[in-house]
Amino acid sequence: KAGVTQTPRYLIKTRGQQVTLSCSPISGHRSVSWYQQTPGQGLQFLFEYFSETQRNKGNFPGRFSGRQFSNSRSEMNVSTLELGDSALYLCASSYGDVASGELFFGEGSRLTVL
Amino acid sequence: AQSVTQLDSQVPVFEEAPVELRCNYSSSVSVYLFWYVQYPNQGLQLLLKYLSGSTLVKGINGFEAEFNKSQTSFHLRKPSVHISDTAEYFCAVSDPGDYKLSFGAGTTVTVRA
Repeated sequence: KAGVTQTPRYLIKTRGQQVTLSCSPISGHRSVSWYQQTPGQGLQFLFEYFSETQRNKGNFPGRFSGRQFSNSRSEMNVSTLELGDSALYLCASSYGDVASGELFFGEGSRLTVL
Repeated sequence: AQSVTQLDSQVPVFEEAPVELRCNYSSSVSVYLFWYVQYPNQGLQLLLKYLSGSTLVKGINGFEAEFNKSQTSFHLRKPSVHISDTAEYFCAVSDPGDYKLSFGAGTTVTVRA
């Protein structure tokens, strides 16, 4: 059974550009969550989607957005990139209840903003 | 909102020695508690979780954790570590119906021969 797949794994952008990251969940998982991981802030929740509906959103500016498609694949977008957006962006999928179940994480997309 | 405090940022330990990683969470009526591990250049993997029932939870790779409601703690232990246990460990908490996990800052465990 394939795991959570995130693309691209590494990318470099410059300030002001925008970026789109993709996440393919484990087959059959309908919930997809996104987290930002940085050395200073640790793991911060971005948003969670279930059946194309955003059910929860973290405390991030509006430059951060996401969506989920009917096949459960998800994308997140960051517009007008800032240096502080450099981070590892992790996607996780879940079969059942997010709060009590197991999150399966991808290896992440490492974004560097210059 | 729930918050998690991991009391140790770095824990060096010798191979075959025991290790304990400390985690405290902000109190709530009911919470679910988790420990995840992140190996270098990888995503997170669930070690164990507490939802209800027995306060001693056993996980994968010989790890166990004890839920203490009065002290709002969920400490992780392993009686004998291996070099391969070198990784970053995250404690996390969720509220039922909250659709997210709140993670601690992480504890880096370095196992030396």
